[in-house]
Parts: sequence; structure tokens; C-alpha cells
Amino acid sequence: ETGVTQTPRHLVMGMTNKKSLKCEQHLGHNAMYWYKQSAKKPLELMFVYNFKEQTENNSVPSRFSPECPNSSHLFLHLHTLQPEDSALYLCASSQQLAGTDNEQFFGPGTRLTVL
Amino acid sequence: GENVEQHPSTLSVQEGDSAVIKCTYSDSASNYFPWYKQELGKRPQLIIDIRSNVGEKKDQRIAVTLNKTAKHFSLHITETQPEDSAVYFCAARESGGSYIPTFGRGTSLIVHP
Repeated sequence: ETGVTQTPRHLVMGMTNKKSLKCEQHLGHNAMYWYKQSAKKPLELMFVYNFKEQTENNSVPSRFSPECPNSSHLFLHLHTLQPEDSALYLCASSQQLAGTDNEQFFGPGTRLTVL
Repeated sequence: GENVEQHPSTLSVQEGDSAVIKCTYSDSASNYFPWYKQELGKRPQLIIDIRSNVGEKKDQRIAVTLNKTAKHFSLHITETQPEDSAVYFCAARESGGSYIPTFGRGTSLIVHP
């Protein structure tokens, strides 16, 4: 498997459930990102990790909890979500966080539906 | 922070016509402007980018122009084909601060055969 992979591809959960989204990149990149993509809205940056350290938390509610155990894996733990959290969650990675090697490679996304 | 406006939100053209999508940005310090294409149900993929030391860049049927003075940049697709149908996102990245791109809202391009 090459590039950026995400699992699951689709997830339906109730508001009281706890679930996790997984992202893995096979590109040897050092930076990883979580984005939320809702209909008719710009891509919303949620979290950024650089060399496993969180560098950005874009005012994301605490019901979303990221985890980055190493530079290749990124998780998004979900609990007590709201229906308005239903969206496509995209993971991305880039070689570096800054400088010229900043091109972001996106995963296929997880389509999340909160009932 | 950076603010990116993208227009139009929807663009419908006939096969063979040209398509132009425009973006404006607010931070004059931004120096990198990528364009992503997202086909239905697929991931966004970088199709072309331009840096602030260049005014125009072309790659086959697509081109991007940058006007730093006016703080706007545009994507041009010539001889459109049905497979060009997708949502296109522009982005701008500040040269200082977080280096994280700010994305536009996207343009849904529909190419009718």
C-alpha cells in the first residue's frame, strides 16, 4: 500500500459511542494533518503534528482527541459527537511542515455520520 | 490570519470550452499557491502550484496565473473534457507563522459532453 490510507472509509455512530479514525502514511513524511470537509465549506484544518508533536489545534472541541504515536500513524478519537460533526474527515501528510517540501498528500477520507 | 475567497462556486461548461476559477487572498506575505482537484468520492490531489516569484505556470491543458499586487491567482483549464469534472480547491500559504495552507471553498466544475 502506498500513499496515505485511512480506515474506516465509512462510519456511522450514535452520539454516545466512542470510535477512532486511523490514518497511515507510507511516504516517509514528517508532518500529518486532520481536516474536516463539510458540504459547501472550505477544508477546515483541525490538528497538525510535526515529528509526532502537536503543533496546531485549530480550536477543535474536546470531543475530538488526536493521537500521533509515530510519524507514520495518526488517530482521531471520537466521543459524544453531535450530528453536526457528520462530515468527511481527511488525513494528509507532507514531507516537512515548513519550507518548500510542504505539498500535502491526502488520504481518501472517512465519511462519518453521527445519528 | 489568511483568508482565501474562491469564485465561482459552480461552473458549468461545454466540452472543449475553457474554464477559469479565481481566488483572492488577504495576506501579502503568502508565497505558495497550490490547486487541488477532488473527483467525486475521491481524495483531493495536487494538480498544479505556483510560487510568488513566478507569474504563470503551465502544465499541458492547465495553467495558473498569479498577480501579487492584486493578491489574486487563477486556474485556467483549456479544451475541457468530461473527466475534468470535479471540485477544485485553491489554497494560499503564508511565508511566516504556521505554514499551513488556507483553502478556498471550492469550485464544482461540470463539463458537459
